[in-house]
Amino acid sequence: GAGVSQSPSNKVTEKGKDVELRCDPISGHTALYWYRQSLGQGLEFLIYFQGNSAPDKSGLPSDRFSAERTGGSVSTLTIQRTQQEDSAVYLCASSLGTGVETQYFGPGTRLLVL
Amino acid sequence: QKEVEQDPGPLSVPEGAIVSLNCTYSNSAFQYFMWYRQYSRKGPELLMYTYSSGNKEDGRFTAQVDKSSKYISLFIRDSQPSDSATYLCASYNQGGKLIFGQGTELSVKP
Repeated sequence: GAGVSQSPSNKVTEKGKDVELRCDPISGHTALYWYRQSLGQGLEFLIYFQGNSAPDKSGLPSDRFSAERTGGSVSTLTIQRTQQEDSAVYLCASSLGTGVETQYFGPGTRLLVL
Repeated sequence: QKEVEQDPGPLSVPEGAIVSLNCTYSNSAFQYFMWYRQYSRKGPELLMYTYSSGNKEDGRFTAQVDKSSKYISLFIRDSQPSDSATYLCASYNQGGKLIFGQGTELSVKP
C-alpha cells in the first residue's frame, strides 16, 4: 500500500517568506509526527498529533512554527518569516497510535532558506 | 547533554567486515530501543527494536541493549555495499515521540 508522502520534495525560499509543508500519512494511522533533521543536530522531534489534537508541541523551535491536522489525515507544518537556520529536512511519520508503535517515515521536504 | 548520544562517524569498512555501531543514553525510563536505517535522500526505516536489556537477532543484524551501562549496540555481520547508509539509534519518550541519536554514516566498500 501507499506509504507516507510529503510535498514538496524540495523548497527554496527567501528569508522572511512563509512556507507550508504537507504530509499525507498512511491511511488509518491516527498518530502523526513531525521531525526536523539538520547537520550537527540530527533528527529532532517537533510536534505530534493524535487525531486532530496536538498534545505535545514541545519541540517547536519558536512561535514562527505551527502545525495543524484536519480530518485525522493530512497535516501541514507552517513556518512564518523563515530564517536561514530553518534550513533542514522536515520529516513526517505516522503510526497506528501513540506510544510504542512503529513509526513510518516519509521521504522528507528539503527546505533551503536563502 | 543529549538524551541519546551517537558517534556520527563516518565509518568506512571493507565488504564482509563485521560492523559495530553504538549509542549511549541517559534516561533510565527508556525501555524500547530502535535502530533505523536511512538511505541517502530517503526517510528513516525501522530496522529492528529491542525491549529492555538483551539481544535480538535478525539475519545479519544483531541489536544489543545493556541497561546497566545505558549502552545500545547494532552489529552487522558480513557487511555488504547495500548496507551503506546512516544508522540511527532511538528510544521512545512520552506520547511515543522518538528521541534519536545523531546517526552514524556507514560506507561498505566492495
